Amino acid sequence: GENVEQHPSTLSVQEGDSAVIKCTYSDSASNYFPWYKQELGKRPQLIIDIRSNVGEKKDQRIAVTLNKTAKHFSLHITETQPEDSAVYFCAASRTGYSTLTFGKGTMLLVSP
Amino acid sequence: GAGVSQSPSNKVTEKGKDVELRCDPISGHTALYWYRQSLGQGLEFLIYFQGNSAPDKSGLPSDRFSAERTGGSVSTLTIQRTQQEDSAVYLCASSQTGTGAREQYFGPGTRLTVT
Repeated sequence: GENVEQHPSTLSVQEGDSAVIKCTYSDSASNYFPWYKQELGKRPQLIIDIRSNVGEKKDQRIAVTLNKTAKHFSLHITETQPEDSAVYFCAASRTGYSTLTFGKGTMLLVSP
Repeated sequence: GAGVSQSPSNKVTEKGKDVELRCDPISGHTALYWYRQSLGQGLEFLIYFQGNSAPDKSGLPSDRFSAERTGGSVSTLTIQRTQQEDSAVYLCASSQTGTGAREQYFGPGTRLTVT
């Protein structure tokens, strides 16, 4: 089955800096890669996703890049703000399946 | 509209007891998922229901765990003879049907503590 590795497990940045979280996956048939944000004590929420027919997708301060050859994808957050502090999960899903395999999460702390 | 709801929000039980956790998905969502979230362990897939198809039970950790979905809507996750290692937050999610994966909407979770 699919295996998703996520790094780093924790990331501390200063407000205004950029943050990058990286994930690798094992199943070359995976073609859907969402990112979820989970604030402390709250439920995970989708913030951005990408499908395998594109290499990059942006939404304001966040972007995701995908390298299918290397089987890795990354989340980029620019101009970080304290409210970006949360745990971020990457996930992968293969063609024809709806179940997601999640990474173990990255705790991002943005200091003012 | 209403999101995914779960009950109870917290459950404390003694080792060896059975527990039932409930999930109400978003109306019209045919896909329903259960996950377990332990500290520092991410989201562990447990079971997936899609319409009237047989559920994907590949993530259930042991035969003490079971789930059902009645009428294609509400789902109940049952853990029999609970153990301390079952302590975790149990999250339910639902999504629309369609080809391939869609956004999953999560409920607030049930925090289970086994003493």
